[in-house]
Amino acid sequence: GAVVSQHPSWVICKSGTSVKIECRSLDFQATTMFWYRQFPKQSLMLMATSNEGSKATYEQGVEKDKFLINHASLTLSTLTVTSAHPEDSSFYICSAIPRVNTEAFFGQGTRLTVV
Amino acid sequence: LAKTTQPISMDSYEGQEVNITCSHNNIATNDYITWYQQFPSQGPRFIIQGYKTKVTNEVASLFIPADRKSSTLSLPRVSLSDTAVYYCLVGLMSTGFQKLVFGTGTRLLVSP
Repeated sequence: GAVVSQHPSWVICKSGTSVKIECRSLDFQATTMFWYRQFPKQSLMLMATSNEGSKATYEQGVEKDKFLINHASLTLSTLTVTSAHPEDSSFYICSAIPRVNTEAFFGQGTRLTVV
Repeated sequence: LAKTTQPISMDSYEGQEVNITCSHNNIATNDYITWYQQFPSQGPRFIIQGYKTKVTNEVASLFIPADRKSSTLSLPRVSLSDTAVYYCLVGLMSTGFQKLVFGTGTRLLVSP
């Protein structure tokens, strides 16, 4: 099946710094990618939808100035957590759909810890 | 997007068949039903997808009644490695943009 890769798998950063997470579709082009956040023992929460070449669409309650999303190419989307705080510590997951009428493929996730 | 309802958790033993039912009363005509599996600290993994009746692949079967207001994921002869969270999603997959919204999921625990 199609492969979606996230980098890094885990990151620890200091409070107040920014962290960038990459999501790549390795063997297909994805016009749309999704970013999720997941806290322990909870379900995935959709943060935003990233469309190549256009601004991301954020879900209600997600701060677009804090979670910057860039989808510069058909194979790469990035999520930047700006001025990170301990409450931003979470598991971030991206997904992409290769084409219409098919399933979404998910990255392995990125564990962010803000200290 | 149709909201889904699943049992929060289920317990089973190795070798048994496990059936997880998902309710989606407001499913739209063009919505597909998709099930994902998630292990701790990993991204969800696609299991199976269907629109109506029955779909079977090498790992599971999906049963969808005629009214499509529910669906049942069937895992034959589960093993310890099937311990995971299972998510049922419904949505429009037949055209372009598809926003995938996850429900609570079902936490399956398989014991020896």
